[in-house]
Amino acid sequence: GAGVSQSPSNKVTEKGKDVELRCDPISGHTALYWYRQSLGQGLEFLIYFQGNSAPDKSGLPSDRFSAERTGGSVSTLTIQRTQQEDSAVYLCASSPAISVSYNEQFFGPGTRLTVL
Amino acid sequence: AQSVSQHNHHVILSEAASLELGCNYSYGGTVNLFWYVQYPGQHLQLLLKYFSGDPLVKGIKGFEAEFIKSKFSFNLRKPSVQWSDTAEYFCAVTSSASKIIFGSGTRLSIRP
Repeated sequence: GAGVSQSPSNKVTEKGKDVELRCDPISGHTALYWYRQSLGQGLEFLIYFQGNSAPDKSGLPSDRFSAERTGGSVSTLTIQRTQQEDSAVYLCASSPAISVSYNEQFFGPGTRLTVL
Repeated sequence: AQSVSQHNHHVILSEAASLELGCNYSYGGTVNLFWYVQYPGQHLQLLLKYFSGDPLVKGIKGFEAEFIKSKFSFNLRKPSVQWSDTAEYFCAVTSSASKIIFGSGTRLSIRP
């Protein structure tokens, strides 16, 4: 009865390094979302997947950010050449149906990224 | 563009006080509205949602929200708060098969 899981739970990296954040959605959920939560900023939408395709990438803040999803399941968010302003909690969520607007999103615990 | 505003950044109440957290959105079409809650150390979870029908929506733990279309609002209410309601509350809106837009959140602190 697993929920959404994310790894690592915490990541400390040096400025300029690349990082990969992983999300395992609830089994069978077709939609997967990535958000960024910064202190006092709420949740910032990054990207969402319907199956393996990403119809909406509009939230990715720069071309240093990319994401992929394989097999309609696990997703990886990659941040290249990290900057200090990338420090935040990165949240993943999944939802069961194709009509994503009608379904509750189930959130993972997040990955806290700190860029030194 | 869609946006969601939560004007109260931090609300402090005593136990048994009544609660109302404001949420306003900007979008002219049909919307779906949500309130999510994040208790300390826990995941975000759904508190309640509105899609259609009765504009007064009941959620978990005694919370309710009222959709007032003319005011573009979806305020969250609870008649009598408990210490365990201490959390951060997020209002969200979506208009189609697209991303959900979240507000910046309201931190609620309850004094025992």
